[in-house]
Amino acid sequence: QSILTQPPSVSAAPGQKVTISCSGSSSNIGRNVVSWYQQFPRTAPKLLIYENNKRPSGIPDRFSGSRSGTSATLAITGLQTGDEADYYCATWDSSLVEGVFGGGTKLTVL
Amino acid sequence: QIQLMQSGAEVKKPGASVKVSCRTSGYTFNNYFMHWVRQAPGQGLEWMGWMNPNIGGTNSAQKFQGRVTMTRDPSKNTAYMELSNLRSDDTAIYFCVRRRSGDYPFDYWGQGTLVTVSS
Repeated sequence: QSILTQPPSVSAAPGQKVTISCSGSSSNIGRNVVSWYQQFPRTAPKLLIYENNKRPSGIPDRFSGSRSGTSATLAITGLQTGDEADYYCATWDSSLVEGVFGGGTKLTVL
Repeated sequence: QIQLMQSGAEVKKPGASVKVSCRTSGYTFNNYFMHWVRQAPGQGLEWMGWMNPNIGGTNSAQKFQGRVTMTRDPSKNTAYMELSNLRSDDTAIYFCVRRRSGDYPFDYWGQGTLVTVSS
């Protein structure tokens, strides 16, 4: 059972928009910034979004993030088949004094 | 370029220990904490702990306290994670991950080391 809650899976058609939610609490998302990671099978995760809504160099602006209260959201517009991957949210939990991840969301582009 | 290169796959018996190395290059080793994250087969990511390469201080998730030891060799820009008293549910891919101290993301990841625990 992950500290941060994500939907196990989401799907949408190519060209469409999808959002992935990440729900936490006042000790984690409510207090610390959120980052998002993209993971393809048999590879290491890759940083996608940091500080809630910032993109590292090289990440297309089709990917965006937001945070409100104790929840965060990753949005992907103009879906491509190459976006099919697992997506994880992460932050720090100030009560546990531990890093915490969401359980991951598998994105299928139909 | 920044690289975190981990040691190869390991197969261990229950009760044994495993030590995974993470050799870094392309940045100043002492300027970033080294975290360890694992992923069991078909499962999500699980944070294990961090090490401050400057002074060697560490902190680990409560779940792993007493079983995980994180060390470093600054002369080799290398971090190590040793997990003891292995159980079958420790079978996972173990990642070293760089993170600056403070509210920063895990920005560079090692390629992962598969540790299989089997009798």
